Amino acid sequence: KAGVTQTPRYLIKTRGQQVTLSCSPISGHRSVSWYQQTPGQGLQFLFEYFSETQRNKGNFPGRFSGRQFSNSRSEMNVSTLELGDSALYLCASSTSGPKPEQFFGPGTRLTVL
Amino acid sequence: GEDVEQSLFLSVREGDSSVINCTYTDSSSTYLYWYKQEPGAGLQLLTYIFSNMDMKQDQRLTVLLNKKDKHLSLRIADTQTGDSAIYFCADAFTGGGNKLTFGTGTQLKVEL
Repeated sequence: KAGVTQTPRYLIKTRGQQVTLSCSPISGHRSVSWYQQTPGQGLQFLFEYFSETQRNKGNFPGRFSGRQFSNSRSEMNVSTLELGDSALYLCASSTSGPKPEQFFGPGTRLTVL
Repeated sequence: GEDVEQSLFLSVREGDSSVINCTYTDSSSTYLYWYKQEPGAGLQLLTYIFSNMDMKQDQRLTVLLNKKDKHLSLRIADTQTGDSAIYFCADAFTGGGNKLTFGTGTQLKVEL
C-alpha cells in the first residue's frame, strides 16, 4: 500500500498571502489529521477530519481551515499568512478500526517571508 | 489540557541500551505512542501501547507503562547509529477521534 502523500513538499510564500496544502491518506483510511511542527512550539494538533466532517479541532486561529473530500483526501488552507506560520505541516491518516495506528506523511515545509 | 513531557537529549554508545522517558498528565489516556523523526522527514510510528498493558515488546523495542505514575518509557536494545533521531511520545485524546498530544521530543545521539 502507498503511504500518506503530501503536496507540495516545499512552499515559499509572503506575508498576507494564502496557501493550500494537500494530503492523500493511505487507501481505506477515512481519518485525516493535521499537525504543525515548529522549533518553538513543537508538534501541535490543528484539526481532524473523518468522513468529510471535522471531528476535532486544536487551538489555532480561524485563519487555519481544512476540509475533506469524499475520497478522504484532505486540504488545509491558511489565509493571511504571518511569519510565525512558517513550519512543517504534517498530515496523519488512520482507520476507524480497532487498531489505533496513525501514519504520517513526509510533511510540507512552508516558509513565509 | 493534557501535557506530555520528555527530556531533551540522550547520548549513548553503540551497542548499549537506550531508555527514553515520558510523563503525561491525562489519567484517562487510552493509547500512548512512540514516534521517530529523522532529519527532514515525517514521523515514523514505532509502537503503541494500550493503557491497560504494563509492557509491550516489539523486536528491539520495549515499552513500559506505569499508569499510577503516568510514566512511559521506550527501551531500545543494542542501539545502532541508525537509531539516532528525535523520539516523540504521544498521548491519544480520550474524547474520541484521533487527536494526539505530543511531547517535546528526545534527541537520541548514538556514538561509536
